[in-house]
Amino acid sequence: IVMTQTPLSLSVTPGQPASISCRSSQSLHSDGKTHLCWYLQKPGQSPQLLMYEVSNRFSGVPARFSGSGSGTDFTLRISRVEAEDVGIYYCVQNKELPTCGQGTKVEIQ
Amino acid sequence: EVLVVESGGGFVQPGGSLRLSCAASGFTFETYWMSWVRQAPGKGPEWVANISPDGSAKFYVDSVKGRFSISRDNAKKSVYLQMNSLRTDDTAVYYCAGSLHYWGQGTLVTVSS
Repeated sequence: IVMTQTPLSLSVTPGQPASISCRSSQSLHSDGKTHLCWYLQKPGQSPQLLMYEVSNRFSGVPARFSGSGSGTDFTLRISRVEAEDVGIYYCVQNKELPTCGQGTKVEIQ
Repeated sequence: EVLVVESGGGFVQPGGSLRLSCAASGFTFETYWMSWVRQAPGKGPEWVANISPDGSAKFYVDSVKGRFSISRDNAKKSVYLQMNSLRTDDTAVYYCAGSLHYWGQGTLVTVSS
């Protein structure tokens, strides 16, 4: 399954919203769930899970992060970007052996 | 506290072999799918292999099929990746991950002549 993200880079003013789109080459729906998650990889760190099953925030993830979408089209939104949100965001399908999008690099203006 | 610690990385010549180990603690290891995920310099993560909780199901990315083998020992709360016939494009940081959310810090594998 091929995952395609847009944009590949994003420069955001603190306090402003941001959104990242992700498209899969086939439906990620299976067994009553949609197997799409989002990760953030901060510089020098391992990827950290933000969202799973499209819209569920993982433990400890701030409420400013939200996910939406269905089928093959998905979006991650940050309601008000903070400095600690910089890094590379990846959408990942886990319907099969997981595959990632190309990543979206988010930086602060 | 959850801990996932990889070991076994290093420098190897093309065609050589390495065995990576991952020791986990702080979660019910025997109920988790475990994965090896690699990240080449400047690239995104790539799931290399994963294994079911009881070890009966294993999946591999096409580029490593026939060369890499994943296994686990639930009594030791450990998962392994045997890597044979290594190529220069296998150079990456290799992470061990429990399900989607428990990740180690990675171990570097460099394949070069």
